[in-house]
Amino acid sequence: DARVTQTPRHKVTEMGQEVTMRCQPILGHNTVFWYRQTMMQGLELLAYFRNRAPLDDSGMPKDRFSAEMPDATLATLKIQPSEPRDSAVYFCASGSERTPSYNEQFFGPGTRLTVL
Amino acid sequence: KQEVTQIPAALSVPEGENLVLNCSFTDSAIYNLQWFRQDPGKGLTSLLLIQSSQREQTSGRLNASLDKSSGRSTLYIAASQPGDSATYLCAVRLDQAGTALIFGKGTTLSVSS
Repeated sequence: DARVTQTPRHKVTEMGQEVTMRCQPILGHNTVFWYRQTMMQGLELLAYFRNRAPLDDSGMPKDRFSAEMPDATLATLKIQPSEPRDSAVYFCASGSERTPSYNEQFFGPGTRLTVL
Repeated sequence: KQEVTQIPAALSVPEGENLVLNCSFTDSAIYNLQWFRQDPGKGLTSLLLIQSSQREQTSGRLNASLDKSSGRSTLYIAASQPGDSATYLCAVRLDQAGTALIFGKGTTLSVSS
């Protein structure tokens, strides 16, 4: 059963600490997306990658957020230093341009981040 | 800038009713539109995807329609059940090249037994 996995599922940290969230896209998918969901803003794109190359990270606060894909099976989103306003649920999604359903995105369960 | 709006924000119905959820978008130049379901504290489950060249898609009791020229989509749920209670999100993609989705804020549906 192919699915996107994310770790950790929950993270509580104190302001100023570094936070790293990880995502394993569905095997064979070549696009990976990071979204953030808050009550006020809903779901918003932070960054996305195609074939491990970053294509758009305009939704990300550059001074504290960074996103990378060290290899095709791992995407990371880091926040350093974290702030209370970063509290949200962070979703990873993946898709493939090489299959009949290439334009469909599949979402992971999310990481619920609380910054105190 | 593309904006996606979903009305109503919340909806409560008794079990068995047929219902319609609405989604509108400001720029008709979309590549496709996707409907998702989100249960509390969970991720997003894709329900239906409609390509810009299509008018509707069906899956079980769900039917999604797309009127690209008027910037609207509807999700029709037939014979609603308590298990349908969730938040339903509409999202559009602007072009083919694996670009990100732009989401509405969702309609939270509650179906009472």
